[in-house]
Parts: sequence; structure tokens; C-alpha cells
Amino acid sequence: GAGVSQSPRYKVAKRGQDVALRCDPISGHVSLFWYQQALGQGPEFLTYFQNEAQLDKSGLPSDRFFAERPEGSVSTLKIQRTQQEDSAVYLCASSLAVAGGVPYNEQFFGPGTRLTVL
Amino acid sequence: AQTVTQSQPEMSVQEAETVTLSCTYDTSESNYYLFWYKQPPSRQMILVIRQEAYKQQNATENRFSVNFQKAAKSFSLKISDSQLGDTAMYFCALFYDKIIFGKGTRLHILP
Repeated sequence: GAGVSQSPRYKVAKRGQDVALRCDPISGHVSLFWYQQALGQGPEFLTYFQNEAQLDKSGLPSDRFFAERPEGSVSTLKIQRTQQEDSAVYLCASSLAVAGGVPYNEQFFGPGTRLTVL
Repeated sequence: AQTVTQSQPEMSVQEAETVTLSCTYDTSESNYYLFWYKQPPSRQMILVIRQEAYKQQNATENRFSVNFQKAAKSFSLKISDSQLGDTAMYFCALFYDKIIFGKGTRLHILP
């Protein structure tokens, strides 16, 4: 595809429900990132994949958050037993090569999924 | 820890004017990247300009330029001849092994 796509664009969940957010990176991109952007804040790093390997999950806020990328392309971020504080926009980004250090490989962002937990 | 601070939550300028957005950061790394990202209301994050820390020359991209002061850990963005389409949230960001974003500056370009 032409860019990073995410679905759904909007998700409303009742507190306690499980949700799954999908990210389709740019074809051929090795690295994939998830970010959480609370209202009025900058994005915060959640987790990073290099192909199918999850190399960094230091930003996941709790064990209710789980991400996978089983075939090294599409990724899913799952949130179990959603809480009101999970309400945010979840951004996905991909880059062509391996992330970390220099040189920098530009990350291309998707439009995000806005999650509202009632 | 790496941090990015944007001290201007919101700014407004008239169309065609020049505006400068401020950013300070902190890192113990010697070689890193700094960015300014634009996020229009549609939410798609777009890279505006980037600066490699080991390069002394300030980066420029058409109407966008930066003032990079490495010793002071300052990285400001100047937008010249501002246009209505520049209205957006602007995030300053630092990259070493992951991107650290500031809280953003909401910029309004007024007709």
C-alpha cells in the first residue's frame, strides 16, 4: 500500500471489554512501532518489532497490553479488560530498516485509532 | 533519561508572518537526531525537518528551518511566510533508540 494504515479508525469500548487494534505497515518495512497518544499530549512509545520479533516492550503500561506481529507484516495491539485511562489515540509507525542508533531510518506514521473507553 | 520540553502550548500568528517554536531537550548521548513533526487535525504525523546532532549546519526545508544549539540543548523551528495549511500541532522529538516526543505546540495561522 501507499502508506501505513490502521483499523478501526475509531473504537468505543465499555470498561472491561477487550479490544484489538490493527496496523498494516508499508510493504517491506522491517520495523514497526506502536505509540499511545493521550489527549493533548505527545505520542509515547509502547513497543517495537523487528520483523516478527518484539525487541522492546518497555513502554507497555501494564500486562493488559499485548502486541504481536506473527508474520513480520501486520501487527495487532490488544488491550484486555479496558479501563478509562486507556482512552487515547494509538499510533502505528513503520520504517524500512532496523531501528536504533544512527543512521536514522524514517518512521512513517499511520492515521491512528482513537479508542474511547466508557 | 531522555526528555523533550516544549514550553509554548499554543501560538497564533497572522498568515505570511514568521513564527518560531521553541524546544529544549536532554540526553547523555553524543550522536542522536532531532525532529519536528506536524500533526494536522486529521492526525497523520508528518516529518517536517530533521537534524543530525553531529552536523553543525542547521537544517532547512523550504520555509522551515531550525536553530540547533547543541551545547544549550536547544532546537527551535522557524516557519517563514506562514500559510493557513501550517495550522497544526507541532511536536519536537529526539531519537536515539526510540523517539521521545515533547507535549506539542498548537499553532494557529490566522487569515
